[in-house]
Amino acid sequence: DIVMTQTPLSSPVTLGQPASISCRSSQSLVHSDGNTYLSWLQQRPGQPPRPLIYKISNRFSGVPDRFSGSGAGTDFTLKISRVEAEDVGIYYCMQATHFPWTFGQGTKVEIK
Amino acid sequence: EVQLVESGGGLVQPGRSLRLSCIVSGFTFGDHGMSWFRQAPGKGLEWVGFIRSKGYGGTTENAASVKGRFSISRDDSKSIAYLQMNSLKTEDTAVYYCARFARYDSSGNSVATVDYWGQGTLVTVSS
Repeated sequence: DIVMTQTPLSSPVTLGQPASISCRSSQSLVHSDGNTYLSWLQQRPGQPPRPLIYKISNRFSGVPDRFSGSGAGTDFTLKISRVEAEDVGIYYCMQATHFPWTFGQGTKVEIK
Repeated sequence: EVQLVESGGGLVQPGRSLRLSCIVSGFTFGDHGMSWFRQAPGKGLEWVGFIRSKGYGGTTENAASVKGRFSISRDDSKSIAYLQMNSLKTEDTAVYYCARFARYDSSGNSVATVDYWGQGTLVTVSS
């Protein structure tokens, strides 16, 4: 199974400041079709997961442009350019390139 | 509006069975694969399994932790996905989510992502 490792596991951030979350996979997430199926999800307290980003860097409809994804191969990053109060929650990376699909442990973003 | 609503959760004794349902609306169910995930209390997300659309064979994939005990099926005529859970263990206690799989975007590009989630249903396995 592919192991997804997120760092940090906790990220206290001042409102208006940037935040960055790293996700590293134990093997390449490049699919045989040439695409990389790495997604990011946000889970606010008491809510189901909300998809933010797919295929490394593509935002879902309605996701603010302060969220951006980047990376390639085995190293990926989610950045929030200016953290707002509504961004508090746990962020997960997920790979759907290989079965079984796997998640990172989650990174808790909280306001300092 | 796309909606996914899980039902069927509850308290069940170890070794017993339970079937969860995921009723969807707002899209053509038969065109999409469906996946189940779970989240144990205070823990992270775990993928449980996936069923392809009939157009892609309708076949399933399951996590090793549930293989041989859980099975996923679908009824395209009713727009429902099912998760049949047998031989339940205490460690299966979790909120179970169903989610829609999108293979392509509107431009025909491969996206292979989960784009809509239900609200979840709690399954508690305890004696």
